[in-house]
Amino acid sequence: AQTVTQSQPEMSVQEAETVTLSCTYDTSESDYYLFWYKQPPSRQMILVIRQEAYKQQNATENRFSVNFQKAAKSFSLKISDSQLGDAAMYFCAYRSVAGGTSYGKLTFGQGTILTVHP
Amino acid sequence: DTAVSQTPKYLVTQMGNDKSIKCEQNLGHDTMYWYKQDSKKFLKIMFSYNNKELIINETVPNRFSPKSPDKAHLNLHINSLELGDSAVYFCASSGRLAGYTDTQYFGPGTRLTVL
Repeated sequence: AQTVTQSQPEMSVQEAETVTLSCTYDTSESDYYLFWYKQPPSRQMILVIRQEAYKQQNATENRFSVNFQKAAKSFSLKISDSQLGDAAMYFCAYRSVAGGTSYGKLTFGQGTILTVHP
Repeated sequence: DTAVSQTPKYLVTQMGNDKSIKCEQNLGHDTMYWYKQDSKKFLKIMFSYNNKELIINETVPNRFSPKSPDKAHLNLHINSLELGDSAVYFCASSGRLAGYTDTQYFGPGTRLTVL
């Protein structure tokens, strides 16, 4: 079974600065998807960025980018030019491409609370 | 233009009662899910349905019964509620959207409090 680990329970950053959130995972599969979701105090789960394991190029979405290291099974999220609205809990998630009884299952990490200081 | 909606958003009830949470998606997706987020914010899948067929059932007590009347709806019925059922329950869906069949979109969550 796959596991996802976020080793930073809390992180903080100054507005306009850059912060990196860490995520590692364990899997024996060679193809899969990885995601970062954001959960602000409103509790809505918002997709931040996605990465297909077969792609070597790191995904980027505006101020958000990932550092995907497949061999190291590491998937960190970098937030540039941090804004007050980035304050939230961030979850890393793994999705297998396998079918059967695991079809579509997202396995989440424990989450990292990000605080943005003005 | 809500994509994934859940009702109710808040549910407070007594131990032993039976309650239902409804979920609807208007994204045309064919797969829907239920996740539970506990008090420590840990998210874990409970069920998934693909084209109204149960795919995932993650060792959830029999008191929880999902029902999918059609591809756009996945409801969660809980019998004999216990204190430990207090949590936030998220519905999600996935399917072909802008070419990505793998990405799940979440509803706003239902906070269930069992007294």
